[in-house]
Amino acid sequence: ELKVEQNPLFLSMQEGKNYTIYCNYSTTSDRLYWYRQDPGKSLESLFVLLSNGAVKQEGRLMASLDTKARLSTLHITAAVHDLSATYFCAVANNQAGTALIFGKGTTLSVSS
Amino acid sequence: GAVVSQHPSWVICKSGTSVKIECRSLDFQATTMFWYRQFPKQSLMLMATSNEGSKATYEQGVEKDKFLINHASLTLSTLTVTSAHPEDSSFYICSAVDFRGGAETQYFGPGTRLLVL
Repeated sequence: ELKVEQNPLFLSMQEGKNYTIYCNYSTTSDRLYWYRQDPGKSLESLFVLLSNGAVKQEGRLMASLDTKARLSTLHITAAVHDLSATYFCAVANNQAGTALIFGKGTTLSVSS
Repeated sequence: GAVVSQHPSWVICKSGTSVKIECRSLDFQATTMFWYRQFPKQSLMLMATSNEGSKATYEQGVEKDKFLINHASLTLSTLTVTSAHPEDSSFYICSAVDFRGGAETQYFGPGTRLLVL
């Protein structure tokens, strides 16, 4: 059974500082996703990581994937208030068309 | 880009009534759609896989007779919560899988918030 663990679950950040969220998963997968969710809203896709060593960056967020370690990280550079939200990683089984298994989410709060 | 819609976006109903939620893929055909449920401050939990032209596959612990899923066309899946009770109040999110271009991309709908009184 595929399990996905995120940590930390809560992160209180100071503006301007850097932080990292970790996502571990239990079995081999060829697809890992990062999503953002604002309160009361659905999911906003941030990154799709498809191969070992994949790195993607968008603005202050950078995601990477190590399939050997079954680990993905979401790195936040110089946090700003707009980044306050809940971030989920999700992993797909190595089978086309299967659902995603989500981590518990990391709630980020940025304060000045 | 691909869009998935849900209707209604929110619904309030009395205990014991049934509620139907629609999930549509607007510019692609989706043979597979998924239904998730999210309780406040929790993650998304997969409820069932909806397959066009065949019976849905339910996750362990999800009552198939209570959560009826119909995937009648390549662009529409419906979830009916039958005899709803307050504990069914939740945020229901669907997703649709787009296989075009040889890649598999999953798009999420905007969600339906259900409140059962």
